[in-house]
Amino acid sequence: EIVLTQSPATLSLSPGERATLSCRASQSVSSYLAWYQQKPGQAPRLLIYDASDRATGIPARFSGSGSGTDFTLTISSLEPEDFAVYYCQQRINWPLTFGGGTKVEIK
Amino acid sequence: EMQLLESGGGLIQPGGSLRLSCAASGFTFSNYAMSWVRQAPGKGLEWVSIIGGHTGGSTFYADSVKGRFTISRDNSKNTLHLQMDSLRAEDTAVYYCAKDLSPGRGMDVWGQGTTVTVSS
Repeated sequence: EIVLTQSPATLSLSPGERATLSCRASQSVSSYLAWYQQKPGQAPRLLIYDASDRATGIPARFSGSGSGTDFTLTISSLEPEDFAVYYCQQRINWPLTFGGGTKVEIK
Repeated sequence: EMQLLESGGGLIQPGGSLRLSCAASGFTFSNYAMSWVRQAPGKGLEWVSIIGGHTGGSTFYADSVKGRFTISRDNSKNTLHLQMDSLRAEDTAVYYCAKDLSPGRGMDVWGQGTTVTVSS
């Protein structure tokens, strides 16, 4: 099973700041990595697939990068609605696995 | 608009069975792989199972549910199912169904979730 480790667990930032979230895989997942955003009481929302492609309707301030074992989700300038929990997921091997999540909270 | 609507959750005793359903609309259901993902209270996301599109011949499961849960689909009714047997307390979670964007990519449409509570 591929283990995804997300860091940091919590990121405390102010609106307008840049957020950099990390996801590290225990073995290569090539570019088969997705990022999701989840707000309290809501279902997850797909942000990024194939490591760097934005899903339909996702603002350009969200970007993904990386390949192999190291990936980054960047939010260039945090909007109030961006404070949420973010998960990465690998899509190359069964079982599909999620990272433990990074909570982006208001400082 | 693409939508998914789960149903079938509830309170069940350990060892019991429950069948979840997910009704799809707004897209050609048979063309897409479908997954179940769960989230225990206060915890992160856990992928549970996936079934391939079309005939749904390919199915895969998380080790934690293998042999106890069965995923299936009825393309004539645009419905996904999850049969859950031998339920344990650790299966307590919100269960989401989700549609694959395309093979190897992410899940782009999610339902609102249905809550399963396993307790005596």
